[in-house]
Amino acid sequence: EIVMTQSPATLSVSPGERATLSCRASQSVSSNLAWYQQKPGQAPRLLIYGASSRATGIPARFSGSGSGTEFTLAIDSLQSEDFAVYYCQQYNYWPMYTFGQGTRLEIK
Amino acid sequence: QVQLQESGPRLVKPSETLSLTCTVSGDSISTYFWSWIRQPPGKGLEWIGYIYYSGSTNFNPSLKSRASMSVDTSKYQFSLKLSSVTAADTAVYFCARMQLGYYFDHWGQGTLVTVSS
Repeated sequence: EIVMTQSPATLSVSPGERATLSCRASQSVSSNLAWYQQKPGQAPRLLIYGASSRATGIPARFSGSGSGTEFTLAIDSLQSEDFAVYYCQQYNYWPMYTFGQGTRLEIK
Repeated sequence: QVQLQESGPRLVKPSETLSLTCTVSGDSISTYFWSWIRQPPGKGLEWIGYIYYSGSTNFNPSLKSRASMSVDTSKYQFSLKLSSVTAADTAVYFCARMQLGYYFDHWGQGTLVTVSS
């Protein structure tokens, strides 16, 4: 089973600054990785697929990078609406899909 | 704009079967893979399984023996059944559209199902 590990569990960043979130796969997932944002009481929203492609309507301040086992989601110039929980998900080993445990991005 | 809406009982007794339906609007159901994903309170996301419009399915091995799915293309609906539920199955259940069968690009709002006597 592919295990996705996200770090840190909680990240405290001030508005206007840059946040960097990490996701590590227990085996290579190539570039078959997606990122989601989830706010309290809401469904997750797709941000990034293919490790670095932004989904429709996602602002350019969100960027994804990495391949193999190490991935990063960066958020530039943090806005108030960006504080949420972020999940990574691998789909390299479809039809089995696994998520990371999430990183909570909070206001510093 | 595609929209998904979950429906079904919010309270299920232990050992019984959880049944949920997802209604799709704004897009054809006959083009994509459709999934169920759940999230226990305060925890992360777990993929349950998917169904294609043809009826072919695939499930998370951890749930495979208890989960089943069906699709009704005429009603733009797909459904989940999870048998022999326990308190560990208490979660928010989301239905979602899969892009290329790989990642989840549209989600329902989710519905909390509680397993309790």
